[in-house]
Amino acid sequence: DTEVTQTPKHLVMGMTNKKSLKCEQHMGHRAMYWYKQKAKKPPELMFVYSYEKLSINESVPSRFSPECPNSSLLNLHLHALQPEDSALYLCASSQKGQPSSYEQYFGPGTRLTVT
Amino acid sequence: QKEVEQNSGPLSVPEGAIASLNCTYSDRVSQSFFWYRQYSGKSPELIMSIYSNGDKEDGRFTAQLNKASQYVSLLIRDSQPSDSATYLCAVLDSSYKLIFGSGTRLLVRP
Repeated sequence: DTEVTQTPKHLVMGMTNKKSLKCEQHMGHRAMYWYKQKAKKPPELMFVYSYEKLSINESVPSRFSPECPNSSLLNLHLHALQPEDSALYLCASSQKGQPSSYEQYFGPGTRLTVT
Repeated sequence: QKEVEQNSGPLSVPEGAIASLNCTYSDRVSQSFFWYRQYSGKSPELIMSIYSNGDKEDGRFTAQLNKASQYVSLLIRDSQPSDSATYLCAVLDSSYKLIFGSGTRLLVRP
C-alpha cells in the first residue's frame, strides 16, 4: 500500500484567512514532504520532516507554517496568503536509510486558490 | 546549481510504438533516479526507480541509466493513449532532495 491522503481536495481562501492542509500516511515512512506545484511546472520542495523533525526549509515565507504532530501526520498552516500562492500543494512520504528507500510517494494534492 | 534537463515536448507517437523519454543531470554524485507520470490535474505517480547502470524493466516500462554520461531514459513499449501524460525525471541529490526536470509531455495518437 503506497497511499498518502490529503485533505481538503480543494480550498478557496481569502488573503486574511487562516486555514490548514492535512496529510496522512500509514506506510511507516519516516520522512514527509510538502511541495508546491504551479501549472506546467515541476513540483518545488518546500519542507522536509525527518523522524518528525523539520530538516529542510527551502526559504519558504513564514505565512506557510509546517507541523508534524506524529510520524503519520503532516500539516501545513496557511495565514495571510497572496494570490500568487495559488497552486497545487502536494504531500509526499518516503522511508529513510538505503537509497532505495528514498522513493517518494505523493498524495493527490490540495488545489488552493487564494482570492 | 544542480540541474535535471528534459525535452519539454510534446513527444507524439502512434499507438503501439515505443516512446523514448530522455533526461540528463548535472550532479555527478547522484545515485538514485526516478520517473514519475503526471496526468493533467493529478499528482505525480512513481512508475520507475533505478540505482545501477544498465536497464531495469517493469512491464511495458524500461528505465536505462548511464552514470558516466549522466543520462537516464525511459522507454515505453506498445504505447497506449492512456500513457499520454507528462513524465517527470527526478534525481536524488547529495542532500537527499529530489530535483525534478521540467517534464516531457507525451501524446500517444490512436
